[in-house]
Parts: sequence; structure tokens; C-alpha cells
Amino acid sequence: EVQVVETGGGLIQPGGSLRLSCAASGFTVSNSYMIWVRQAPGKGLEWVSFIYGNGNTYYADSVKGRFTISRDNSRNTLYLQMNSLRAEDTAVYYCARWYLNRGADYWGQGTLVIVSS
Amino acid sequence: DIQMTQSPSSLSASVGDRVTITCRASQDISNYLAWYQQKPGKVPELLIYTASTLQSGVPSRFSGSGSGTDFTLTINSLQPEDVATYYCQKYNSVPWTFGQGTKVEIK
Repeated sequence: EVQVVETGGGLIQPGGSLRLSCAASGFTVSNSYMIWVRQAPGKGLEWVSFIYGNGNTYYADSVKGRFTISRDNSRNTLYLQMNSLRAEDTAVYYCARWYLNRGADYWGQGTLVIVSS
Repeated sequence: DIQMTQSPSSLSASVGDRVTITCRASQDISNYLAWYQQKPGKVPELLIYTASTLQSGVPSRFSGSGSGTDFTLTINSLQPEDVATYYCQKYNSVPWTFGQGTKVEIK
């Protein structure tokens, strides 16, 4: 069964750092496309970052230079390192598998990040 | 960047009605468009990809159409379990922008 589970969210002060994890099962992260999407409270979905199977990475302008997507193939886990956090980064962060040309077909339950002093 | 504009932002319809949601891209995105459903308090779920292909397990009352800049999600015979917010997402190029969402309620 394909599954992704995010962890690592929490309350963090502005300017702080946090690393989110996304543990995958039922498929291999190393040869999959993976995506991070966030949703601020009461707001819509916002694409954050993407990593191709070949390791190429892409970021939304709102997080470029502050967030880094990566993966640990041995742990079959995706990460999102978030630095210089701002209040506007407060959101539920979802990771999802992006299957071929078919969209994000498996989503985690999300992990809440609150940036506040 | 290409902007994605959904309309309407919300709608209320009766059970059994046909519902149509529109997503417009500011530039040609071919058919690189997905639709997602997010029920209240739940995780988004993929409904349609490549503009018109139904994801496995999605009820056949959902359909998608369009290419280029104009796309439509149609729900034939709206059901109570379809109460949700629907999002389009383009993926022809970075950034993979979502529309702002359309909230569907039962009248």
C-alpha cells in the first residue's frame, strides 16, 4: 500500500529553522517525483517545492533561498529544510507523490507549522 | 508566471444538479492540468489529470475538459458527499500553481 507520513511540524519563532520529514512506503522515493504543498489556515493550496527522480529541485519564489527539498534514499524519506521562517510560512505542510504526468496521487495527512513569537 | 483563475469562488447547488467549475490559465498550458477535491478537514485528493483523465476510483459523475487556457470540471448529479473545495493545478512548467479554489455547497 502506498503511503506517505509527514512529521516534524511545530511551533517555531520567526527566523528559526525546522525540518519536515515525509516517510514513504509502498514505493521508492529515489525514483519518484515528490512534491511539497502547503495550506495556510483557512486558505487555499500553495505549491512549495518539487524534486524529480533525477534529483532536480524546484521552489516557489516565496520560499526560494530559504527552503531546501532533499531525500534520503536509504530511509525512503523526503525532507523539507525550512530556514529563516516567517509568520507567513504558517501552514499545514503536505507531501505527496507525483506520479508520472498524472498529478499528486498520494498525500500525507499534513503537518502543522506555526511561526510565531 | 502563469496565473490560474477559478470561477466561481463558491457555489450552492441542489442534490442532482449539474455543477460546472471553470479554471483559466493566463497562458497556454496544453493539457497539463489536474483537479483536486478537498473535503472539509481532509487531505486533498486527485480527481482528474491531463485535464480530462479520471483518476482511478473517482466516481464517473466527475469529468474534466479543456485544453490550452480554458478548462472545466463538471459534476453531473451533485451528491451530498461532493461538498468540498475544488482546486485546479497547472504543471506544464514551474511554478506549479493552484487556482484559488471553488467551494461547493448543497442548497
